Amino acid sequence: AAGVIQSPRHLIKEKRETATLKCYPIPRHDTVYWYQQGPGQDPQFLISFYEKMQSDKGSIPDRFSAQQFSDYHSELNMSSLELGDSALYFCASRGTGELFFGEGSRLTVL
Amino acid sequence: AQKVTQAQTEISVVEKEDVTLDCVYETRDTTYYLFWYKQPPSGELVFLIRRNSFDEQNEISGRYSWNFQKSTSSFNFTITASQVVDSAVYFCALSESLMEYGNKLVFGAGTILRVKS
Repeated sequence: AAGVIQSPRHLIKEKRETATLKCYPIPRHDTVYWYQQGPGQDPQFLISFYEKMQSDKGSIPDRFSAQQFSDYHSELNMSSLELGDSALYFCASRGTGELFFGEGSRLTVL
Repeated sequence: AQKVTQAQTEISVVEKEDVTLDCVYETRDTTYYLFWYKQPPSGELVFLIRRNSFDEQNEISGRYSWNFQKSTSSFNFTITASQVVDSAVYFCALSESLMEYGNKLVFGAGTILRVKS
């Protein structure tokens, strides 16, 4: 069965650079969630979208923005990267049941 | 506000031992969902189970079992006859009704399980 696809799986950036993460939800899933997991931390909710509209917002920095497109894929844009942004970024999608997580995108900021 | 507490930061057991991971939650909602996820060293989050607040039946799946007790707001996870491959971080999580869009999961801090051979 198709799963949530995240790209890239690994990304290395320098401070003050910009990064974009992509998430392709499971087909027919209309809700997408973004989570950030720092080293040794639990996943923290950033933002979610339902039917291409922002549905909830968590601890997402102002330097980050996200959107969901007409094909339901979502992108997380991170600008002015800081060392503390180094983390595993998960995307999850949901239809009418539980959340399914992608394998994550590991961002390293040097 | 929702909150999930996993008091055990790290547990070490020897293979074939049984181990229970504790999870205590707080919520004001009458309808909610509880989850357990496994995160192996490779990093992905693997879904293990979902329970809704109206179903207090315990569940067993192979070596895994879950004990949901609403009276104590606990949703504990037991692995019987642990194996080295069970070594991972285990997260308990809580969500409001999944029938409403946009309801996020709130995770506990996770419990690191180390199973030694």
